[in-house]
Amino acid sequence: RKEVEQDPGPFNVPEGATVAFNCTYSNSASQSFFWYRQDCRKEPKLLMSVYSSGNEDGRFTAQLNRASQYISLLIRDSKLSDSATYLCVALTPSSYKLIFGSGTRLLVRP
Amino acid sequence: GEEVAQTPKHLVRGEGQKAKLYCAPIKGHSYVFWYQQVLKNEFKFLISFQNENVFDETGMPKERFSAKCLPNSPCSLEIQATKLEDSAVYFCASSPRGNRGDGYTFGSGTRLTVV
Repeated sequence: RKEVEQDPGPFNVPEGATVAFNCTYSNSASQSFFWYRQDCRKEPKLLMSVYSSGNEDGRFTAQLNRASQYISLLIRDSKLSDSATYLCVALTPSSYKLIFGSGTRLLVRP
Repeated sequence: GEEVAQTPKHLVRGEGQKAKLYCAPIKGHSYVFWYQQVLKNEFKFLISFQNENVFDETGMPKERFSAKCLPNSPCSLEIQATKLEDSAVYFCASSPRGNRGDGYTFGSGTRLTVV
């Protein structure tokens, strides 16, 4: 079983739609979680950190449920520029390495 | 500078040839990480350094892969006797403190193609 699992998609949505991505992790020792965005095999870029209390950054909302070991990302009012692969990431506390999910591809159509 | 500089951007090697990739971390960042991304977005951790010391090498295929981070030089990742399955994009990242995943900065990667 992979340490971080995601639905690979693709999610194909019209502009303006709301879309939600889910992710589960298996290492209960992991403390820190993130959503990264990757465009066309370029370098991954941090989208946002994920906190148990939930956090919002504009149209993006991330949530962490430690009891279920479940992470989510909600994108409201999708834009064409949101088309990318979204990577769910956990930080290994002992060695500081990032463990990546395989990514969820989002396609936003006009 | 405020970017992680990876060179070269593209590298083509015949099977069995050596490949050497370079990474200049952001000045002041103590940690350097190497990741391999193969098809289907699978990121694999290879090795990390704390300054010039190996911090975690659990992901390294030790038979053919080696890496160094020497003072006042770019870090390097070397693959001896490349194989077709080594074809991937190799990303380097640096971080001022290892325990903050939001402090990572990734380089733009080196695309290695083994033919």
